Amino acid sequence: QKEVEQDPGPLSVPEGAIVSLNCTYSNSAFQYFMWYRQYSRKGPELLMYTYSSGNKEDGRFTAQVDKSSKYISLFIRDSQPSDSATYLCAMSPLDNDMRFGAGTRLTVKP
Amino acid sequence: DTAVSQTPKYLVTQMGNDKSIKCEQNLGHDTMYWYKQDSKKFLKIMFSYNNKELIINETVPNRFSPKSPDKAHLNLHINSLELGDSAVYFCASSPVGAGYGYTFGSGTRLTVV
Repeated sequence: QKEVEQDPGPLSVPEGAIVSLNCTYSNSAFQYFMWYRQYSRKGPELLMYTYSSGNKEDGRFTAQVDKSSKYISLFIRDSQPSDSATYLCAMSPLDNDMRFGAGTRLTVKP
Repeated sequence: DTAVSQTPKYLVTQMGNDKSIKCEQNLGHDTMYWYKQDSKKFLKIMFSYNNKELIINETVPNRFSPKSPDKAHLNLHINSLELGDSAVYFCASSPVGAGYGYTFGSGTRLTVV
């Protein structure tokens, strides 16, 4: 079993839809949880960051962490074509041991 | 101003050659990393350096060697390139470790023929 599991998709939604992206993990020591967005032929960029359990909202994006279920989610409201990218979850038990999911490829159609 | 810059962006080379990829960050971060991203987009850490000391070294062939002349630079040297080394290599940096997130470079697409 991989430490971090993420459905690679692809996921295709119409513009304006609510998008739900998820990851599960097996290492209960993970404390830092992040979502990165990667456009084609670009490097990943940090989108959301959460420490331990709970929710965090930033504009149209909401990150949720459920440590009891070892499950994290990223919700995108009112999705736009510019949100089309690969979304990678990442998590770490310590300050310098980040583990990435395989990434979910999202397409938002106008 | 580019925060994390890598050169070259593209590298095509023959099997058996030796090549280097350079990385520089102007963010004042303490830790720098090298990641390999395969064709399925999976990111796997190769190395990280904190204050010029190697702190993570995953099961990477010893043909790969990181070199850090100072805190702002972490270069990757690859000897005797193999077909399986073809991938996108990303440099990243972070302040005081991963808890604050990484800033990635734009990647170096390596193709070994």
